[in-house]
Amino acid sequence: DQQVKQNSPSLSVQEGRISILNCDYTNSMFDYFLWYKKYPAEGPTFLISISSIKDKNEDGRFTVFLNKSAKHLSLHIVPSQPGDSAVYFCAGYGNNRLAFGKGNQVVVIP
Amino acid sequence: NAGVTQTPKFQVLKTGQSMTLQCAQDMNHNSMYWYRQDPGMGLRLIYYSASEGTTDKGEVPNGYNVSRLNKREFSLRLESAAPSQTSVYFCASSQDRVQTPLHFGNGTRLTVT
Repeated sequence: DQQVKQNSPSLSVQEGRISILNCDYTNSMFDYFLWYKKYPAEGPTFLISISSIKDKNEDGRFTVFLNKSAKHLSLHIVPSQPGDSAVYFCAGYGNNRLAFGKGNQVVVIP
Repeated sequence: NAGVTQTPKFQVLKTGQSMTLQCAQDMNHNSMYWYRQDPGMGLRLIYYSASEGTTDKGEVPNGYNVSRLNKREFSLRLESAAPSQTSVYFCASSQDRVQTPLHFGNGTRLTVT
């Protein structure tokens, strides 16, 4: 049962443009969401999080938006840079469990 | 500034062999985790330890055992490896179980033939 879904497994974007990654969840008990970034042969690294009491959280070039009624969140990267090329995982936390999506591959073209 | 250290980085086992994956963190975190990552499957929790002295099953615990040796170290043991356990294994730690980000090690790539 996939509680966190990331469709569109890969995304290519021109350097300087916006990257938008989407994530849908099914568990209404989730109250905290995170995005992780992963380079090949490395572990995931924490990028940004959002609590369910907020609908937006911003950290530099990264912004996460949460729409609780739609059970949907998105990650915006503006402007995209070549170093942003990685796999991005969305995760939801609730009921003492953290569930990860399958990941989105982002390629930023210089 | 090591963070979470996993050993070994790579391992090849024959079916039926046993091995222990080691993990240590130097951030004084209370909680530690073992995940596996398979193609198209995302990260799945095998076992976790919410605090020193406790361990609990995650989503996919069958075929594995864990030991929280002390606050720093959390090991994962495969008693009798099977090809289905071919995967990349990640250890992680966090300050607490609730709403704190996980810090991951760089993974162990395990192949079982």
